[in-house]
Amino acid sequence: QITLRESGPTLVKPTQTLTLTCTFSGFSLTTSGLSVAWIRQPPGKALEWVALIYWDDDKRYSPSLKSRLTITKDTFRNQVVLTMTNMDPVDTGTYYCTHLLGGHNYGLVDFWGQGTLVTVSS
Amino acid sequence: SYVLTQPPSVSVAPGQTARITCEGDNIGSYSVHWDQQKPGQAPVLVISYDTDRPSGIPERFSGSNSGNTATLTISGVEAGDEADYYCQVWDTYTDSPVVFGGGTKLTVL
Repeated sequence: QITLRESGPTLVKPTQTLTLTCTFSGFSLTTSGLSVAWIRQPPGKALEWVALIYWDDDKRYSPSLKSRLTITKDTFRNQVVLTMTNMDPVDTGTYYCTHLLGGHNYGLVDFWGQGTLVTVSS
Repeated sequence: SYVLTQPPSVSVAPGQTARITCEGDNIGSYSVHWDQQKPGQAPVLVISYDTDRPSGIPERFSGSNSGNTATLTISGVEAGDEADYYCQVWDTYTDSPVVFGGGTKLTVL
């Protein structure tokens, strides 16, 4: 079965860089039509898509966050890494790693990791 | 970017039918998916491609999509259905392909 697990710091200071790792099993990111997406959720607020990486290494970033984001994959380790620079308290929230089924022209987030809460505070 | 609008809250008595809407411009031309999120938990997919139920999701959950409105219907609502519900679509035409609605809090009275 498909599982995803997020790992990374729970607390970062403003202006620091956040690095989150998603370790997954049950699928390979070399398989055509699969991708991994990061989605975040501020406390008490709605879900917000952050970034995704396709099986062919194509990448997409939220336009509002694009200048601060980098997403990479390690297909041998079954990991996806998200880095976000210049962290701000408004970036506080739960960050989810997700399995996305589809291709470049359609997609479905069908499996979610448990999420990791990141707090930005000095 | 594509915008999805959901009512902030819906309340229903146990055993009744809850309908949660998701509005978007010509949303009927998109495939709509629905996620359930219980407090302190990650979302779980309950409806995919407008009407499909993933394995393990009760038949009480159903979906429809036409025109400018998609609807998640929960029949015979149970206390355990109390959660936040989010619609999601894939928008091929913009730089933000994964789009979520603002979420609807379902309260079981």
